[in-house]
Order: sequence, then C-alpha cells, then structure tokens
Amino acid sequence: KAGVTQTPRYLIKTRGQQVTLSCSPISGHRSVSWYQQTPGQGLQFLFEYFSETQRNKGNFPGRFSGRQFSNSRSEMNVSTLELGDSALYLCASSLDIYRGGDTEAFFGQGTRLTVV
Amino acid sequence: AQSVTQLGSHVSVSEGALVLLRCNYSSSVPPYLFWYVQYPNQGLQLLLKYTSAATLVKGINGFEAEFKKSETSFHLTKPSAHMSDAAEYFCAVSDLGGTSYGKLTFGQGTILTVHP
Repeated sequence: KAGVTQTPRYLIKTRGQQVTLSCSPISGHRSVSWYQQTPGQGLQFLFEYFSETQRNKGNFPGRFSGRQFSNSRSEMNVSTLELGDSALYLCASSLDIYRGGDTEAFFGQGTRLTVV
Repeated sequence: AQSVTQLGSHVSVSEGALVLLRCNYSSSVPPYLFWYVQYPNQGLQLLLKYTSAATLVKGINGFEAEFKKSETSFHLTKPSAHMSDAAEYFCAVSDLGGTSYGKLTFGQGTILTVHP
C-alpha cells in the first residue's frame, strides 16, 4: 500500500512569488491535514479537508489556502511568499481523523520550501 | 483549548540506558494522545497512541507510554536505548467529539541523542 506522497520534496522560491504543494493521500483516506514545521514555531496546524470540504483551519493568514479534489488529493497554495514561510510542510492523511484515535494520521515526507 | 508541553528539548542517554521523554497535556475534553518520531528530513511516524482503552500503551520499536489522568501526563519510555533511536520525538493531543476536526496539537519536540 503506497504511503502519503508529497510533491515536490524541495522548492526554492523568491519573495513575492506563489507556490503550490501537492499531497496524495493513502488510497481510501478521505481526510487530509496540512502542517507547517519550523525550528521556531514547531509543528503548526494549517487546515484539514474531508470530502472536498475544509472542516478546520489554523491561525494562518489568508495567503495560505488549500483545496481537496474528488479523489482526495489535496493542494495547498501560499501566495505572496515571505521569508518566514520557509519551512517543512507536512501533509497527513487518515480515514477520518475526526474520529480521533480510532484512526491514525499517516504523514508524508514533506516539502521543504525555501524562500529567498 | 488543547496544549502539550514536552519537558526537555534535548535528552541524552547512553546506549542500553533507560529512555524517558516527558509529556504533559491540557485538554478540556477526554483526549487522544500520540507520540510521533521524526528522523532528519523525514515525515512523522506514529510510535503509539492512547485512545481511552488501556492506560499503558505499547508501541513500535520497544516504546511504551502510560496515561496518567491525575498528572495529565503521557510520558514515553524505552527500557534500553539503541543508537537507531536517535531522532526527534513529538507528543501530540487530539480531542474527541470536539470541533477540532483533523487537528493534532503538538509539543515542541524532544531531540534524543544516544551515545555509544
């Protein structure tokens, strides 16, 4: 069974540009969550999608957005990039993490975004 | 609101020694608790989870954790450290039945170093 796939693994962008990151969940998983990981702030929740609907959103500016497609694949977009957006962006998929511990969240290897 | 505090950002042990990584949580509803491990440039891998069943939870790679409601703790232990255990460990909490769809709240992480 294939795991969670995130593409690309590495990205370098310039301030002011926008970027789109992709996440393919494990087959059959309908919940996809996104996290930002930085040395200073640690792991912070961005948003969660289930069946193409955003169910929850973290405390990030509107420059951060996402969507989920009918096949459960998800993308996140960051517009007008800032230096502080440099981070490891992790995607996690689960059957339905709202069920809490009944289902496990499986993480991808992440996309390392560097903004210069 | 949920929160997680990991005591000690760095823990160093000798190979064969006991590993103890501390985690305290705060949650207004019965929590689900998790321990994840992250190797450099990798995603997160679930070590174990507490889902209101047995308070002593056994996970992969010889790790276990005990849920203590009175102490609001969920410390991670391993009787004998191995060099391959060197990594960063994250404690996380999720609520059950709340509105935190898809959201895991993570601690700041503990880097475990294992000396030969």
